[in-house]
Amino acid sequence: GESVGLHLPTLSVQEGDNSIINCAYSNSASDYFIWYKQESGKGPQFIIDIRSNMDKRQGQRVTVLLNKTVKHLSLQIAATQPGDSAVYFCAETVQGAQKLVFGQGTRLTINP
Amino acid sequence: DAGITQSPRHKVTETGTPVTLRCHQTENHRYMYWYRQDPGHGLRLIHYSYGVKDTDKGEVSDGYSVSRSKTEDFLLTLESATSSQTSVYFCAISLQGAYEQFFGPGTRLTVL
Repeated sequence: GESVGLHLPTLSVQEGDNSIINCAYSNSASDYFIWYKQESGKGPQFIIDIRSNMDKRQGQRVTVLLNKTVKHLSLQIAATQPGDSAVYFCAETVQGAQKLVFGQGTRLTINP
Repeated sequence: DAGITQSPRHKVTETGTPVTLRCHQTENHRYMYWYRQDPGHGLRLIHYSYGVKDTDKGEVSDGYSVSRSKTEDFLLTLESATSSQTSVYFCAISLQGAYEQFFGPGTRLTVL
């Protein structure tokens, strides 16, 4: 099936541990951010978003943190499970642009 | 999958031949996008559409054209395919006023 590139940054974690995936975004004017998950052979899937007027947002087992001072975004996954194995992308946009700019992605692998 | 289908899912063609990829949505979303995904580059926007017959270029539009004659279909055409256009192509949609995009399953195109 469709797959992402072979030379992505990789994060390996033990099943049950917490995972932290980082993203440095490029545009200081960006005010909306999204994390996507892409499993092998599939299209990217929306996980969680955050607006620039927030520092933190929580979902089910996931938390996104935004540090606008250093243009840094992170995705925390609690109690990582085998089904979390995927490539994770951050995306940014400026309000009104209706277009996203994607980071290169990080491959998360889960060790049993 | 937000009611998005892509066809074909796989295609092998020869350099210099024309190729058309189709994206079909069932939910009347206004915005549609075409991306390519390559190792080391993540997702890059080729073209997008903000309505019937309304399209605009993305960051990697050279060698590609698009058409949208009805809301549900967004076509991507490679007039004369080159080996550098070997890639995985994703279609995405978004609602007006929303920034999150929802992706189709992708088309793997190989140009020999």
